[in-house]
Amino acid sequence: GNSVTQMEGPVTLSEEAFLTINCTYTATGYPSLFWYVQYPGEGLQLLLKATKADDKGSNKGFEATYRKETTSFHLEKGSVQVSDSAVYFCALSLDTDKLIFGTGTRLQVFP
Amino acid sequence: GAVVSQHPSRVICKSGTSVKIECRSLDFQATTMFWYRQFPKQSLMLMATSNEGSKATYEQGVEKDKFLINHASLTLSTLTVTSAHPEDSSFYICSATRTGDEAFFGQGTRLTVV
Repeated sequence: GNSVTQMEGPVTLSEEAFLTINCTYTATGYPSLFWYVQYPGEGLQLLLKATKADDKGSNKGFEATYRKETTSFHLEKGSVQVSDSAVYFCALSLDTDKLIFGTGTRLQVFP
Repeated sequence: GAVVSQHPSRVICKSGTSVKIECRSLDFQATTMFWYRQFPKQSLMLMATSNEGSKATYEQGVEKDKFLINHASLTLSTLTVTSAHPEDSSFYICSATRTGDEAFFGQGTRLTVV
């Protein structure tokens, strides 16, 4: 079946540290891959996406590269800020509007 | 981005009662709305897909008579949890989309059945 696995949190970092949140997927076919972010008290927001192998999605200093060979879409940021504290969800979609999500990873950034 | 408002954000109800959750697209007309449920430490699981003016399509294992979905207009969908029980306690999230556009999510509803 189709599924997304992402690292359990919480991930706790100091401001300006390097961030990696791992995400791997299993899919029948060629999915589009997404990272969503949920700030406290708000709905999920699309952070970035990639629609085919080797594409790199980027937004707000975050990046993720679609790696077909390792079925991965790891989220990275070179220098996190306190305002990046949120829950991050990795997701995939296969030719429909339906999204299949990972469990979410809580990121806590301290000054 | 477009705004989707979900109400209430938190609700506590007694076992056996029904609870209605609203999902509104505030500044666009949503051709499709989705309802998800998330149990602690688990993924958001799609429950159903609803298109305006037609019956919702439920995912396998989701009881359509228990989780009633109404999508009466292009800006409003409702999820009613009927005869709620403690095992229905969960986090429910809606999303709305226009054709060919990304999905926009509500802030979610925490349901606790006591």
